[in-house]
Amino acid sequence: NAGVMQNPRHLVRRRGQEARLRCSPMKGHSHVYWYRQLPEEGLKFMVYLQKENIIDESGMPKERFSAEFPKEGPSILRIQQVVRGDSAAYFCASYETLIGTQYFGPGTRLLVL
Amino acid sequence: KNEVEQSPQNLTAQEGEFITINCSYSVGISALHWLQQHPGGGIVSLFMLSSGKKKHGRLIATINIQEKHSSLHITASHPRDSAVYICAVGANTGNQFYFGTGTSLTVIP
Repeated sequence: NAGVMQNPRHLVRRRGQEARLRCSPMKGHSHVYWYRQLPEEGLKFMVYLQKENIIDESGMPKERFSAEFPKEGPSILRIQQVVRGDSAAYFCASYETLIGTQYFGPGTRLLVL
Repeated sequence: KNEVEQSPQNLTAQEGEFITINCSYSVGISALHWLQQHPGGGIVSLFMLSSGKKKHGRLIATINIQEKHSSLHITASHPRDSAVYICAVGANTGNQFYFGTGTSLTVIP
């Protein structure tokens, strides 16, 4: 949907490198969700963030993954020491809390070589 | 068992056919969403439902809260409707959204 921006759209990393995925929500939205879509699988919840606050990170792997949503700037999903199994499409969604609607970004396709 | 189950997994239809995609869920929900994902592309929200029925153009979505079931209908299907259709539910406890694995629709001219 127009308004939610993710970059980069495609990211190639070698095993052991770090991946940083960015998401800028729609103007006026202060909540974002991050989801992972593995090949041939459905979307899986990772983390739900409000500006400067992690509300729910129960879907995040315990190691190597972290997320933040600072007061200024985009939300960032960070994957340290990437492995081949991290190859997936990562989507963020800008969340409108009053109506409960999510607006999805175009996704970042991460390929780990 | 997944919280959200969709059927069929794959669907091929002739242009003009009426199409139904089904979604069943097992959790208490605040709302149910139907999403569309084109190959290699992003995700578009088609509907958000908490009760009853909604219509947008040739698309109709219904939900039965008691039976925990929703259907997405496409009337007079067209090749441009070819996409993956995903059912998602927002749980009424906590903050999570659960997604079905999607129904891959191909409409043949």
